Amino acid sequence: AQSVTQPDIHITVSEGASLELRCNYSYGATPYLFWYVQSPGQGLQLLLKYFSGDTLVQGIKGFEAEFKRSQSSFNLRKPSVHWSDAAEYFCAVGSPYSSASKIIFGSGTRLSIRP
Amino acid sequence: GAGVSQSPSNKVTEKGKDVELRCDPISGHTALYWYRQSLGQGLEFLIYFQGNSAPDKSGLPSDRFSAERTGGSVSTLTIQRTQQEDSAVYLCASSPAGTGGSPLHFGNGTRLTVT
Repeated sequence: AQSVTQPDIHITVSEGASLELRCNYSYGATPYLFWYVQSPGQGLQLLLKYFSGDTLVQGIKGFEAEFKRSQSSFNLRKPSVHWSDAAEYFCAVGSPYSSASKIIFGSGTRLSIRP
Repeated sequence: GAGVSQSPSNKVTEKGKDVELRCDPISGHTALYWYRQSLGQGLEFLIYFQGNSAPDKSGLPSDRFSAERTGGSVSTLTIQRTQQEDSAVYLCASSPAGTGGSPLHFGNGTRLTVT
């Protein structure tokens, strides 16, 4: 069964600093991978997704993520964070091998921005 | 166009009562998911509907929880004999296809409080 681990519950970074949020998955093959963001008082929004091909994917709001098969990881990065990036971030995994496949989410990482 | 609509947005109920939560997915979306988000927890998968296939109920925490999807559109999540630990935000999401690679479109959720 697929699973997702986000080892960092809460991270605080200074505005303008770089950011990396960790995500590790468990799956028998290469899954579909996603990052979603949940801003305060708002619904979940897709940041980016990886299906195949180039292991570095670009998303909205200046975010990117790199798929590393050898480490079963899909870490989210941003070179310079803005105060508006404060939110909860969720990594998710889906199966490419089933026509009826649920998407499983990690426990989330809450990002706080230090002025 | 209209997004995923959930009602009510807030529900307060007494312990032991039954509650029904409603989700209107985006028109034409064949896949529909229910997740539960408790304070400090991630998105816990509950149930997944895809077209006319039998739903994946593997995430339902107990037999007090059930869900149905009528006519391949509107879905209702029912919690019988509510308990205080059922207090959470219940999120519904839909996607245009049932494969594990289709991004999810989330509603704003129903915040359930069991007193």
